[in-house]
Amino acid sequence: NAGVTQTPKFQVLKTGQSMTLQCAQDMNHNSMYWYRQDPGMGLRLIYYSASEGTTDKGEVPNGYNVSRLNKREFSLRLESAAPSQTSVYFCASSESRGGAETQYFGPGTRLLVL
Amino acid sequence: AQSVTQLDSHVSVSEGTPVLLRCNYSSSYSPSLFWYVQHPNKGLQLLLKYTSAATLVKGINGFEAEFKKSETSFHLTKPSAHMSDAAEYFCVVSDRGGYNKLIFGAGTRLAVHP
Repeated sequence: NAGVTQTPKFQVLKTGQSMTLQCAQDMNHNSMYWYRQDPGMGLRLIYYSASEGTTDKGEVPNGYNVSRLNKREFSLRLESAAPSQTSVYFCASSESRGGAETQYFGPGTRLLVL
Repeated sequence: AQSVTQLDSHVSVSEGTPVLLRCNYSSSYSPSLFWYVQHPNKGLQLLLKYTSAATLVKGINGFEAEFKKSETSFHLTKPSAHMSDAAEYFCVVSDRGGYNKLIFGAGTRLAVHP
């Protein structure tokens, strides 16, 4: 099993450009999440999908959109990138049968917006 | 509302000496608590989790943590540090009543010297 995979690993964008970060999991998990990690701030939740066909905003959703394409895949889109979106982005998944569960993380995407 | 405070942003120890990474939490519910580790340029890996069973929780690689409700603490310890333990460590609290939302602390960077 590959677990949670993310593409690309690195990306440089100019302000105003758009891009989509891809995430896939092969653990048959119901829930998927997108986080951003900034120095000294831990991880903050951008969007999550509790199950296929549903998405909800997290703590810092502004400037992002998501699509839960199917049970395996959950993408994050930046429509018009801004320098404030320079960060490391992590995708995660969990079974979500109820209660607190372990989330499994991908290796991350490093994004630089110039 | 839940929150997590990691009391040290950096900890430095010598190889073979004990490790103590401190974490205090605030939660309206009976919390679930986690410690995750992130090695340089890698994703996050679960070290251990507490979900209201035994208050002393053993994790991978010789780490353990003790849940102390009276002190609202969940400190991470290891008797003897190894060079491979150098990484960033995150204390995390989960909202059991919600959708498995995780609240991350800001992280503690552990350095291990020969």
